[in-house]
Amino acid sequence: AQTVTQSQPEMSVQEAETVTLSCTYDTSESDYYLFWYKQPPSRQMILVIRQEAYKQQNATENRFSVNFQKAAKSFSLKISDSQLGDAAMYFCAYRSQGGSEKLVFGKGTKLTVNP
Amino acid sequence: GAVVSQHPSWVICKSGTSVKIECRSLDFQATTMFWYRQFPKQSLMLMATSNEGSKATYEQGVEKDKFLINHASLTLSTLTVTSAHPEDSSFYICSAPPHRGRNEKLFFGSGTQLSVL
Repeated sequence: AQTVTQSQPEMSVQEAETVTLSCTYDTSESDYYLFWYKQPPSRQMILVIRQEAYKQQNATENRFSVNFQKAAKSFSLKISDSQLGDAAMYFCAYRSQGGSEKLVFGKGTKLTVNP
Repeated sequence: GAVVSQHPSWVICKSGTSVKIECRSLDFQATTMFWYRQFPKQSLMLMATSNEGSKATYEQGVEKDKFLINHASLTLSTLTVTSAHPEDSSFYICSAPPHRGRNEKLFFGSGTQLSVL
Protein backbone atom coordinates (compact mmCIF):
# COMPACT_ATOMS: atom_id res chain seq x y z
CA ALA A 1 0.00 0.00 0.00
CA GLN A 2 1.10 3.53 -0.67
CA THR A 3 1.95 5.88 2.15
CA VAL A 4 2.46 9.62 2.27
CA THR A 5 4.56 11.30 4.94
CA GLN A 6 4.59 14.96 5.87
CA SER A 7 7.25 15.46 8.50
CA GLN A 8 6.39 19.05 9.41
CA PRO A 9 3.25 19.26 11.55
CA GLU A 10 3.51 23.06 11.62
CA MET A 11 5.35 25.73 9.67
CA SER A 12 5.33 29.49 9.78
CA VAL A 13 6.40 32.15 7.32
CA GLN A 14 6.49 35.90 7.18
CA GLU A 15 4.19 37.59 4.73
CA ALA A 16 5.89 38.03 1.32
CA GLU A 17 8.53 35.43 2.15
CA THR A 18 8.95 31.94 0.72
CA VAL A 19 8.23 28.68 2.47
CA THR A 20 8.70 25.05 1.48
CA LEU A 21 6.54 22.21 2.74
CA SER A 22 7.96 18.70 2.60
CA CYS A 23 6.33 15.49 1.46
CA THR A 24 7.70 12.03 0.84
CA TYR A 25 5.83 8.98 -0.31
CA ASP A 26 6.33 5.29 -0.71
CA THR A 27 5.11 3.32 -3.68
CA SER A 28 6.14 0.49 -5.94
CA GLU A 29 4.24 1.95 -8.89
CA SER A 30 5.95 3.79 -11.69
CA ASP A 31 3.01 5.89 -12.85
CA TYR A 32 0.93 7.92 -10.44
CA TYR A 33 -0.23 11.41 -9.56
CA LEU A 34 0.72 13.67 -6.69
CA PHE A 35 -1.28 16.56 -5.31
CA TRP A 36 -1.14 19.34 -2.79
CA TYR A 37 -4.46 20.30 -1.27
CA LYS A 38 -5.18 23.29 0.92
CA GLN A 39 -7.76 23.15 3.69
CA PRO A 40 -8.54 26.59 5.15
CA PRO A 41 -10.57 27.04 8.34
CA SER A 42 -13.75 26.55 6.29
CA ARG A 43 -12.48 22.99 5.78
CA GLN A 44 -13.28 23.05 2.07
CA MET A 45 -10.59 21.06 0.24
CA ILE A 46 -8.94 23.14 -2.46
CA LEU A 47 -6.57 21.74 -5.05
CA VAL A 48 -3.36 23.74 -5.10
CA ILE A 49 -1.25 21.87 -7.61
CA ARG A 50 -0.82 18.45 -9.15
CA GLN A 51 2.00 16.53 -10.78
CA GLU A 52 2.00 13.54 -13.09
CA ALA A 53 4.85 11.20 -12.23
CA TYR A 54 5.79 10.64 -15.86
CA LYS A 55 6.48 14.33 -16.35
CA GLN A 56 9.97 15.44 -15.44
CA GLN A 57 9.06 19.11 -15.45
CA ASN A 58 7.97 20.44 -12.09
CA ALA A 59 4.43 21.79 -11.99
CA THR A 60 3.81 25.45 -11.24
CA GLU A 61 0.66 27.42 -10.51
CA ASN A 62 1.33 31.11 -10.05
CA ARG A 63 3.04 31.44 -6.64
CA PHE A 64 2.99 27.71 -6.03
CA SER A 65 5.55 25.30 -7.41
CA VAL A 66 6.74 21.82 -6.61
CA ASN A 67 10.09 20.10 -6.49
CA PHE A 68 9.37 16.58 -7.67
CA GLN A 69 12.20 14.12 -7.17
CA LYS A 70 10.91 10.79 -8.41
CA ALA A 71 13.92 8.71 -7.48
CA ALA A 72 13.91 10.10 -3.97
CA LYS A 73 10.09 9.89 -3.81
CA SER A 74 9.94 13.46 -2.68
CA PHE A 75 7.33 16.08 -3.58
CA SER A 76 7.80 19.40 -1.83
CA LEU A 77 5.63 22.50 -2.23
CA LYS A 78 7.12 25.95 -2.45
CA ILE A 79 4.96 28.97 -1.79
CA SER A 80 6.49 32.24 -2.94
CA ASP A 81 5.45 35.71 -1.83
CA SER A 82 3.34 34.24 0.95
CA GLN A 83 0.03 35.92 1.64
CA LEU A 84 -2.17 35.92 4.71
CA GLY A 85 -4.75 33.93 2.77
CA ASP A 86 -2.26 31.11 2.36
CA ALA A 87 -2.65 30.21 6.02
CA ALA A 88 -4.24 26.76 6.11
CA MET A 89 -3.62 23.07 6.49
CA TYR A 90 -1.78 21.64 3.52
CA PHE A 91 -2.12 18.01 2.60
CA CYS A 92 0.07 16.08 0.23
CA ALA A 93 -1.78 13.29 -1.58
CA TYR A 94 -1.03 10.33 -3.82
CA ARG A 95 -3.21 8.69 -6.42
CA SER A 96 -2.51 5.65 -8.52
CA GLN A 97 -2.74 6.09 -12.26
CA GLY A 98 -4.97 3.14 -12.93
CA GLY A 99 -7.88 1.67 -11.07
CA SER A 100 -9.44 3.61 -8.26
CA GLU A 101 -9.13 7.37 -8.19
CA LYS A 102 -9.01 7.46 -4.42
CA LEU A 103 -6.45 9.65 -2.72
CA VAL A 104 -4.01 8.71 0.02
CA PHE A 105 -3.29 11.74 2.18
CA GLY A 106 -0.41 12.71 4.38
CA LYS A 107 -1.08 13.96 7.90
CA GLY A 108 -0.88 17.56 6.88
CA THR A 109 1.15 20.65 7.68
CA LYS A 110 -0.40 23.64 9.35
CA LEU A 111 0.94 26.80 7.77
CA THR A 112 0.82 30.08 9.64
CA VAL A 113 1.53 33.34 7.81
CA ASN A 114 2.73 36.16 10.03
CA PRO A 115 2.03 39.78 9.01
CA GLY B 1 -16.69 24.07 -13.12
CA ALA B 2 -17.96 20.85 -11.64
CA VAL B 3 -19.47 21.15 -8.18
CA VAL B 4 -20.16 18.60 -5.50
CA SER B 5 -22.88 19.56 -3.04
CA GLN B 6 -22.91 17.98 0.40
CA HIS B 7 -25.47 18.42 3.13
CA PRO B 8 -26.15 18.93 5.85
CA SER B 9 -23.12 21.05 6.76
CA TRP B 10 -23.48 20.09 10.36
CA VAL B 11 -25.72 17.85 12.39
CA ILE B 12 -26.15 17.13 16.06
CA CYS B 13 -27.87 13.93 17.08
CA LYS B 14 -28.50 11.82 20.10
CA SER B 15 -26.59 8.64 20.69
CA GLY B 16 -28.35 5.66 19.12
CA THR B 17 -30.01 7.56 16.30
CA SER B 18 -29.15 7.41 12.61
CA VAL B 19 -27.94 10.25 10.46
CA LYS B 20 -27.96 10.52 6.68
CA ILE B 21 -25.48 12.63 4.75
CA GLU B 22 -26.03 13.39 1.05
CA CYS B 23 -23.49 14.07 -1.63
CA ARG B 24 -24.63 15.29 -5.04
CA SER B 25 -22.77 16.01 -8.23
CA LEU B 26 -24.50 19.06 -9.64
CA ASP B 27 -23.39 19.28 -13.25
CA PHE B 28 -21.77 15.97 -14.01
CA GLN B 29 -22.42 12.30 -13.59
CA ALA B 30 -20.39 10.46 -10.99
CA THR B 31 -20.29 6.69 -11.20
CA THR B 32 -17.93 6.73 -8.25
CA MET B 33 -17.84 8.80 -5.10
CA PHE B 34 -15.46 8.64 -2.18
CA TRP B 35 -16.30 9.11 1.47
CA TYR B 36 -13.62 10.37 3.83
CA ARG B 37 -13.58 10.96 7.56
CA GLN B 38 -11.45 13.57 9.27
CA PHE B 39 -10.97 13.69 13.02
CA PRO B 40 -9.91 17.00 14.59
CA LYS B 41 -6.44 18.08 13.56
CA GLN B 42 -5.93 14.89 11.61
CA SER B 43 -5.81 13.89 7.99
CA LEU B 44 -8.54 12.59 5.71
CA MET B 45 -8.99 8.86 5.86
CA LEU B 46 -10.87 7.07 3.12
CA MET B 47 -13.81 5.14 4.51
CA ALA B 48 -15.39 3.71 1.38
CA THR B 49 -15.87 3.99 -2.33
CA SER B 50 -19.42 4.31 -3.49
CA ASN B 51 -20.27 2.78 -6.85
CA GLU B 52 -23.43 3.61 -8.75
CA GLY B 53 -25.62 0.56 -9.15
CA SER B 54 -23.47 -1.77 -7.08
CA LYS B 55 -22.20 -2.32 -3.57
CA ALA B 56 -19.80 0.07 -1.97
CA THR B 57 -16.22 -0.93 -1.32
CA TYR B 58 -15.16 -0.38 2.27
CA GLU B 59 -11.67 0.21 3.55
CA GLN B 60 -10.22 -2.14 6.08
CA GLY B 61 -11.51 -1.50 9.56
CA VAL B 62 -14.64 0.38 8.48
CA GLU B 63 -17.85 -1.26 9.64
CA LYS B 64 -20.11 -1.61 6.63
CA ASP B 65 -23.18 -2.25 8.78
CA LYS B 66 -22.58 0.96 10.68
CA PHE B 67 -21.76 3.19 7.73
CA LEU B 68 -24.33 2.42 5.08
CA ILE B 69 -23.59 3.77 1.65
CA ASN B 70 -26.08 4.01 -1.17
CA HIS B 71 -25.32 5.26 -4.66
CA ALA B 72 -28.74 5.04 -6.23
CA SER B 73 -28.19 7.40 -9.13
CA LEU B 74 -25.39 8.93 -11.15
CA THR B 75 -25.64 12.16 -9.17
CA LEU B 76 -26.36 11.08 -5.61
CA SER B 77 -24.53 9.11 -2.97
CA THR B 78 -25.61 8.90 0.66
CA LEU B 79 -23.79 7.90 3.81
CA THR B 80 -25.93 6.82 6.74
CA VAL B 81 -24.32 6.54 10.14
CA THR B 82 -26.49 4.03 11.97
CA SER B 83 -26.85 3.89 15.74
CA ALA B 84 -24.45 6.76 16.10
CA HIS B 85 -22.22 6.99 19.15
CA PRO B 86 -20.02 9.83 20.42
CA GLU B 87 -16.94 8.20 18.89
CA ASP B 88 -18.56 8.64 15.46
CA SER B 89 -18.38 12.40 15.90
CA SER B 90 -16.20 13.59 13.07
CA PHE B 91 -16.04 15.61 9.88
CA TYR B 92 -17.22 13.61 6.87
CA ILE B 93 -16.30 14.68 3.33
CA CYS B 94 -17.35 13.27 -0.01
CA SER B 95 -15.57 13.64 -3.30
CA ALA B 96 -16.15 12.64 -6.88
CA PRO B 97 -14.08 12.47 -10.06
CA PRO B 98 -15.95 14.17 -12.89
CA HIS B 99 -14.73 11.85 -15.60
CA ARG B 100 -13.80 8.31 -14.75
CA GLY B 101 -10.53 7.13 -16.15
CA ARG B 102 -9.21 10.56 -16.94
CA ASN B 103 -6.69 12.58 -15.09
CA GLU B 104 -9.20 15.00 -13.71
CA LYS B 105 -9.03 16.50 -10.29
CA LEU B 106 -11.35 15.26 -7.63
CA PHE B 107 -14.06 17.65 -6.52
CA PHE B 108 -14.86 17.76 -2.85
CA GLY B 109 -18.05 18.50 -1.02
CA SER B 110 -17.97 21.11 1.71
CA GLY B 111 -18.13 18.46 4.42
CA THR B 112 -20.49 17.53 7.24
CA GLN B 113 -19.61 17.97 10.89
CA LEU B 114 -21.36 15.27 12.89
CA SER B 115 -21.63 15.66 16.64
CA VAL B 116 -23.16 12.79 18.58
CA LEU B 117 -24.31 13.61 22.10
